[in-house]
Amino acid sequence: KAGVTQTPRYLIKTRGQQVTLSCSPISGHRSVSWYQQTPGQGLQFLFEYFSETQRNKGNFPGRFSGRQFSNSRSEMNVSTLELGDSALYLCASSLSPASYEQYFGPGTRLTVT
Amino acid sequence: AQSVTQLGSHVSVSEGALVLLRCNYSSSVPPYLFWYVQYPNQGLQLLLKYTSAATLVKGINGFEAEFKKSETSFHLTKPSAHMSDAAEYFCAVSSRGGADGLTFGKGTHLIIQP
Repeated sequence: KAGVTQTPRYLIKTRGQQVTLSCSPISGHRSVSWYQQTPGQGLQFLFEYFSETQRNKGNFPGRFSGRQFSNSRSEMNVSTLELGDSALYLCASSLSPASYEQYFGPGTRLTVT
Repeated sequence: AQSVTQLGSHVSVSEGALVLLRCNYSSSVPPYLFWYVQYPNQGLQLLLKYTSAATLVKGINGFEAEFKKSETSFHLTKPSAHMSDAAEYFCAVSSRGGADGLTFGKGTHLIIQP
């Protein structure tokens, strides 16, 4: 069974631009969560989607948004990029929100210049 | 609210020695607890999980962890370290139902000395 895939793996953007990251969960998994990983703040929960609905959201500004499609694939969008948005963005999938096991993708490394 | 504290940002052990990575948690409800490992330029891999069954949990690659409610701890151990164990290790807590996603500790970088 294929794992969680994330595209692109690396991305360089300029301050003020916007970016969209994509995540394809493990086949059969319907819940997708996003996390931001930085050296200073560590791993932080961004949001979770299930059945095309945002179920939970972490403490991030409204510039961070996401969506989930009917095939469970998810995208996250960051608008008006800031230097501090440079991070590794990790996607994780699970069978459902009640399923405690999350499987992580390799991440997208975003660099904002 | 929930939180995780990992004691020691770096831990160095000799190959063949005992590995002990410490994790203490805070949770207002009975938690689920996890240990993940991250190798350079990769995502997180689940090592093991505690979900209120046996308090001693065995995971992959010879790792195990013991849930101690009285100490609010979930320390990770491995009897004999191998060079391939060198990586970043994260302890995480989730409330049942996962209302706030996974809350991670800051991570512990495990260094294996030959």
